[in-house]
Amino acid sequence: EDQVTQSPEALRLQEGESSSLNCSYTVSGLRGLFWYRQDPGKGPEFLFTLYSAGEEKEKERLKATLTKKESFLHITAPKPEDSATYLCAVQAPGANSKLTFGKGITLSVRP
Amino acid sequence: ETGVTQSPTHLIKTRGQQVTLRCSSQSGHNTVSWYQQALGQGPQFIFQYYREEENGRGNFPPRFSGLQFPNYSSELNVNALELDDSALYLCASSWKTLTTDTQYFGPGTRLTVL
Repeated sequence: EDQVTQSPEALRLQEGESSSLNCSYTVSGLRGLFWYRQDPGKGPEFLFTLYSAGEEKEKERLKATLTKKESFLHITAPKPEDSATYLCAVQAPGANSKLTFGKGITLSVRP
Repeated sequence: ETGVTQSPTHLIKTRGQQVTLRCSSQSGHNTVSWYQQALGQGPQFIFQYYREEENGRGNFPPRFSGLQFPNYSSELNVNALELDDSALYLCASSWKTLTTDTQYFGPGTRLTVL
């Protein structure tokens, strides 16, 4: 069974204080690993898809990396508007392309 | 290009009732997936429709059912509502290929069962 574990559960940063969010996964083959951002009461907003170990993607202050067992979401010099819950999900090969999500990491950035 | 939309935004029902939630996929997408998200949890996969056929189902009972229409809009129906069905219901659409399926989510429907 596919599993995703995210850590820490919550993270509080000072504005400008860089950090990383961790996503550990076990999956029977990896079709893709996804990062989403979710604001309270809203639907998840797509950030990145990573397909193979060693792959990296960047968007503004965010950078996602992938190994065979983990993915990291690095946040450089965060701003208060980066405060949200960050969700990681894996997708296995096959006709059923369901996403298996972790519980998410709640990030708070103080000004 | 319009994104994924869902209706209604909020809904309050009583135990035992039935509910229908609606989703309009992003233009050009051929696949729709439904997820349930309880408070403080990640979304849980309910089922997926690809070209109007059910294409996979998560660990949810048969009282959860769905439809996908030719225009790629979709419905989630839940019969005999239980208190534990209270959650945020998310619809996600995608253009599914053999190798990729990036899913884009709607804003969700908040269902409260009393």
